[in-house]
Amino acid sequence: EDKVVQSPLSLVVHEGDTVTLNCSYEVTNFRSLLWYKQEKKAPTFLFMLTSSGIEKKSGRLSSILDKKELFSILNITATQTGDSAVYLCAGGGSEKLVFGKGTKLTVNP
Amino acid sequence: EAQVTQNPRYLITVTGKKLTVTCSQNMNHEYMSWYRQDPGLGLRQIYYSMNVEVTDKGDVPEGYKVSRKEKRNFPLILESPSPNQTSLYFCASRDWSTDTQYFGPGTRLTVL
Repeated sequence: EDKVVQSPLSLVVHEGDTVTLNCSYEVTNFRSLLWYKQEKKAPTFLFMLTSSGIEKKSGRLSSILDKKELFSILNITATQTGDSAVYLCAGGGSEKLVFGKGTKLTVNP
Repeated sequence: EAQVTQNPRYLITVTGKKLTVTCSQNMNHEYMSWYRQDPGLGLRQIYYSMNVEVTDKGDVPEGYKVSRKEKRNFPLILESPSPNQTSLYFCASRDWSTDTQYFGPGTRLTVL
C-alpha cells in the first residue's frame, strides 16, 4: 500500500530559526515528490522533485530528494511568522498522488 | 488566469438530501481528482479521473459518485449524504508534463 509519512507532526520555533521537515515515501511507480504549504485555505504548490540529489530553492525554502532512501526534506531558513502553516508532502505515482498528514509549523515572534 | 474553481464554497445540508459539488478547471488538464481533508487524517483521495469518461476510486470512495463528461468539469455527487461526510473537500487538477497538482479553493460541507 502506498504511503507517505511526515515528521515531525508539529513544530514550534522562534523567528530566525532554521527548520527541517522530513518526508519518507513508498509510492508505486514513483514519478515525483511534491511539497505544498497550507494555511487556512487550499494547499499551494512549493516544489516538485523528480531527480535525486538536486536541490530546489525558492528564497528561504529549499528541498532535496533522495530516491535511494525514499526520502525528502524541506528546509526553511531564517523563519518568519508568515511561514506558520501546515506543510504537506505528496508522492506522485503513475495514477495517484498520495499525501502525508502534514507538519504543522508555528513560528513565534 | 489558470485556476480550479469549486462551488459552493460552503454548504450546510441534512442527511439524505442529494447534493452536487461542481469543479471546473481552465488549464486543459487531463487528470482531475477529489479529496477530503479531516483533522488528524490529512488529505485523502476520493476519486480521480485520468481523462474524459475515465474515473477510478481513490482511498475513500464510499458514499460518493463522480462523472467526467467533459475535460474541464469533474462534479462530486453525494446521493445520500450522512454526517460522517462532513468535511472540507478539495478538487484538484494535475499537469502531467510538470506533475504539478493545483487545488481548488475548497468546499466546507456540513451534513446535519
